[in-house]
Formats: sequence, C-alpha cells, structure tokens
Amino acid sequence: EVQLLESGGGLVQPGGSLRLSCAASGFTFSSYAMSWVRQAPGKGLEWVSVISGGGGDTKYADSVKGRFTISRDNSKNTLYLQMNSLRAEDTAVYYCAKYRGSGYFWGVDYWGQGTLVTVSS
Amino acid sequence: QSALTQPASVSGSPGQSITISCTGTSSDVGVYNYVSWYQQHPGKAPKLMIYDVSNRPSGVSNRFSGSKSGNTASLTISGLQAEDEADYYCSSYTSSSTRVFGGGTKLTVL
Repeated sequence: EVQLLESGGGLVQPGGSLRLSCAASGFTFSSYAMSWVRQAPGKGLEWVSVISGGGGDTKYADSVKGRFTISRDNSKNTLYLQMNSLRAEDTAVYYCAKYRGSGYFWGVDYWGQGTLVTVSS
Repeated sequence: QSALTQPASVSGSPGQSITISCTGTSSDVGVYNYVSWYQQHPGKAPKLMIYDVSNRPSGVSNRFSGSKSGNTASLTISGLQAEDEADYYCSSYTSSSTRVFGGGTKLTVL
C-alpha cells in the first residue's frame, strides 16, 4: 500500500524559511517522479514542483521559482521541499504527491494527507 | 502557466448524469492526452478518478468517464449518488514539462 506522510509544516514569519519532508513507503521510491502540490485555504490545487526519480532534474511553478527547492534522498525514501523567502501567499496545505511513473507526463496517482504552512507575523 | 478553466459549480439529482468541462490551450490539454481528474471531499486529500483523458484506476466506479475534444476535456458522472458530492479538479501535462490544475468544480447532489 502506497503511503506518503508529510511533516514540517507550521507557523513562520514572512521572509522566513521552512523545510517540509515526505516519508514514502509501499513502492520503489527511486523509480517514480515525485511532486509537491499546494492548496491555499478555501482555494484550488496549485502544482508547485516535481523531481525526477534519480533527483537530477527538477521543475518549478513560476510562483515559487528561485525561492523553493525540491530534493529527495532515495536511500531514505524521503522527499523534501525547502521553502525560503516565504510570503503570506504561500500559506497553504502542502501535499506530497507520487507520479504514476518516471516521466513528468504521467501525473499524480497518490497523495499524502498534507501539512499546513502558515506564513504570518 | 494559467490555470485550466472549469465551471465553479454544477449540480444534479440522484440518478442523473452531469458533465464537468475543463478548458485549456494548445500548450496543454489541446496537445497532450495526459489529462487527469481528481475528486476531493472536504478536509481530505484528492483522489485520482481518471488518468490519460479516459482511463479509470482500479477501484474507481465505471460511473466516472472522461473524454477530450480539442482544448477541452470533460468528466462525466452517471447515476449520481450522494457520495459523489465533492470538489473535482482537472490537471494536464504542459509543454514546459510541468502540470497545471483547473480551478475546481463543486458538485452538489440535490
């Protein structure tokens, strides 16, 4: 059974940093692209970033490019999202998401339960 | 990358059929058959209902079906049930190798 468990969310001041983690199990982690998707309170889903199975390639939404960094540790079956220069508009539930395959065209098939990030003074 | 366009809300009575549209551009929906649909109940994580325009994952009811014509993809739910009441999101692969979501559609079962 695929399981994705996010952690690291919380309250942070504008301009601050936070690192999210996602512990994965139930599948061969290194064989799949992994992604972060966020959802602001009462709003829709927003794709944030994706990383290839080996970790050597990444893509970002324009809204986070240059501020967020996605990474993975395949030896620990863990996905990360380093978030810097946080803004109020980054406030959202952040979902860890598994792609259906190694290619970016596959899309997400499994989601974690999400972790809430609140950016406020 | 602009969000795909979905109606804000749709409604139907139990047993009826409804269709939710998802309009993109020639950089996403119009050029790739990599459209997915997700169901999200309040306070829950999204669930994959349709992938690659018209394919259902194992365990998803055959009352859910997907199609595409030009720049617009569609999700049809037949034989509406109370449990189908939820938010629905479409998503497409893009020419930038990223994904884009629709704004979401709230389905109300009357």
